[in-house]
Amino acid sequence: AQTVTQSQPEMSVQEAETVTLSCTYDTSESDYYLFWYKQPPSRQMILVIRQEAYKQQNATENRFSVNFQKAAKSFSLKISDSQLGDAAMYFCAYRSPSSGTYKYIFGTGTRLKVLA
Amino acid sequence: EAGVAQSPRYKIIEKRQSVAFWCNPISGHATLYWYQQILGQGPKLLIQFQNNGVVDDSQLPKDRFSAERLKGVDSTLKIQPAKLEDSAVYLCASSLFTRSYEQYFGPGTRLTVT
Repeated sequence: AQTVTQSQPEMSVQEAETVTLSCTYDTSESDYYLFWYKQPPSRQMILVIRQEAYKQQNATENRFSVNFQKAAKSFSLKISDSQLGDAAMYFCAYRSPSSGTYKYIFGTGTRLKVLA
Repeated sequence: EAGVAQSPRYKIIEKRQSVAFWCNPISGHATLYWYQQILGQGPKLLIQFQNNGVVDDSQLPKDRFSAERLKGVDSTLKIQPAKLEDSAVYLCASSLFTRSYEQYFGPGTRLTVT
């Protein structure tokens, strides 16, 4: 069974600085998708960035980028120029098309604090 | 475009009581998901619907949990009877279709069982 591990329960970053959140996963499949979701306090969870496993190029969305290391099964999120609005829980998620249901498996999350 | 709606936002019940949660997905979204998010954990999929059919309910505790999606639009999730360990946030999400990359989440219902 696939698993997703986020080993950092909490991280802090100074405003305008850069922070990296870690995620590792375990799978025997070769085709899958990886995601980072953001869950602000008392607000909806939203998609931050996604990565298709067959793509070697790391995904980038404005200040957010990933470091995808397929062989190491590592998928970290880098937030550049951190802003106060980036404070939230961040969840790494894995999704496999092989089961036919495209079910998401989420990690336990990392709480990001942004210090002014 | 209206987002995923859920109600109630908060619910407190005693153990062994029953509770129901309602979800209205984004208009036109065929796939609907119910997740359980226990404090300190990531969301865990309980059940996934494609229109009004169940795609995956492998992690739904069927002895006490039930869900339906009549007419392939809104959905209800019921717990009967509730246990202390059911205290969690119940998230509803929808996507245009099962293969869609992005799920859109609702605000969730926070359930406290005392």
